[in-house]
Amino acid sequence: KNQVEQSPQSLIILEGKNCTLQCNYTVSPFSNLRWYKQDTGRGPVSLTIMTFSENTKSNGRYTATLDADTKQSSLHITASQLSDSASYICVVKGALGGYQKVTFGTGTKLQVIP
Amino acid sequence: EAQVTQNPRYLITVTGKKLTVTCSQNMNHEYMSWYRQDPGLGLRQIYYSMNVEVTDKGDVPEGYKVSRKEKRNFPLILESPSPNQTSLYFCASSATSSGELFFGEGSRLTVL
Repeated sequence: KNQVEQSPQSLIILEGKNCTLQCNYTVSPFSNLRWYKQDTGRGPVSLTIMTFSENTKSNGRYTATLDADTKQSSLHITASQLSDSASYICVVKGALGGYQKVTFGTGTKLQVIP
Repeated sequence: EAQVTQNPRYLITVTGKKLTVTCSQNMNHEYMSWYRQDPGLGLRQIYYSMNVEVTDKGDVPEGYKVSRKEKRNFPLILESPSPNQTSLYFCASSATSSGELFFGEGSRLTVL
């Protein structure tokens, strides 16, 4: 069964500090992996997409990494801001099965405090 | 502005009273889907549609219906809501089968 596991479940950090969120998946064969940010009470918004051939991709203060061999991804947030407080969801798309084969992680809830 | 619009955003209803949650996108996307989000379970797909008049079940379709008569609209129908359908619902669209999902703002449904 395809699974996506994220850790930690929740995290509290001080403003200005860095943090790293983890995503492990068993989806195979793999197509792509996206990180979404979900503010409280809002819909998720895509931050980055990682394909099989990509190891690292940055989007401002967000840097995602992918190790397709170990089926692990991480999202690193640099110099955190209060507006980074949100849930971060890892979403993996399989290469088979068409549109419906997207597996969601349960998310990491990040709280940035002053 | 490119967006996915859901209505209503909040709804409290009673068991058995039919309701419809509307979803509309203005990006001319072919793919649309519905999800429910529950604490500790993450997002789970209810139904999806790959084009007009083409719909199929996701992981948790029981108790729900959908229709896709127009490309832009994908309503979610609860014929006889029950308390276990109390949840936060999201509609999403994408341009391709592996493309970025664009989510609506969510519809919080409470069934008493």
